[in-house]
Amino acid sequence: EPEVTQTPSHQVTQMGQEVILRCVPISNHLYFYWYRQILGQKVEFLVSFYNNEISEKSEIFDDQFSVERPDGSNFTLKIRSTKLEDSAMYFCATRPGDREKLFFGSGTQLSVL
Amino acid sequence: TQLLEQSPQFLSIQEGENLTVYCNSSSVFSSLQWYRQEPGEGPVLLVTVVTGGEVKKLKRLTFQFGDARKDSSLHITAAQPGDTGLYLCAGESQGGSEKLVFGKGTKLTVNP
Repeated sequence: EPEVTQTPSHQVTQMGQEVILRCVPISNHLYFYWYRQILGQKVEFLVSFYNNEISEKSEIFDDQFSVERPDGSNFTLKIRSTKLEDSAMYFCATRPGDREKLFFGSGTQLSVL
Repeated sequence: TQLLEQSPQFLSIQEGENLTVYCNSSSVFSSLQWYRQEPGEGPVLLVTVVTGGEVKKLKRLTFQFGDARKDSSLHITAAQPGDTGLYLCAGESQGGSEKLVFGKGTKLTVNP
């Protein structure tokens, strides 16, 4: 089965540093999402992206966060100035069409020290 | 704020036993999805239920959506050690929102 690929699998950074998390969606997929899961807590929605723009974002997704698809292939999540509470597993998810099956990547474990 | 409460949070049973996991909310969802998540991996979709009262079977797994589309259950018959994992329910909101609201999950351990 096709896979959503995320890199890196682990990222350790210092508080205040910028990080970019990368996702390669499945090739014919048009809808892209970022979710995160803080250790021991629920998976939480961050943002959805369609047709090169954000279609929906949560309260978590503040000005420190941004997404883009710079080369029409990779879908990235940037955190401008990381905080300790940004430590979490970040999942990219994609699907071919609206309300169709959602495929999750294996995640990037972000640790902010 | 829409919430999904899953119960039980942890379940440890012997091989061959049956079990049911519940997912409840006070909110109505347009659909409800069940995922299984292995350690260090992303959630993998098992099934989506859309219609109130709908029942779907996937081998030994039976999924049911409540008539009012506020709750769902997952029943596993004759559990096997390979069923061990974290089971998550996730609701898709009405009104055009794309986000999924996840429950906290049920950590199932099936002992041989």
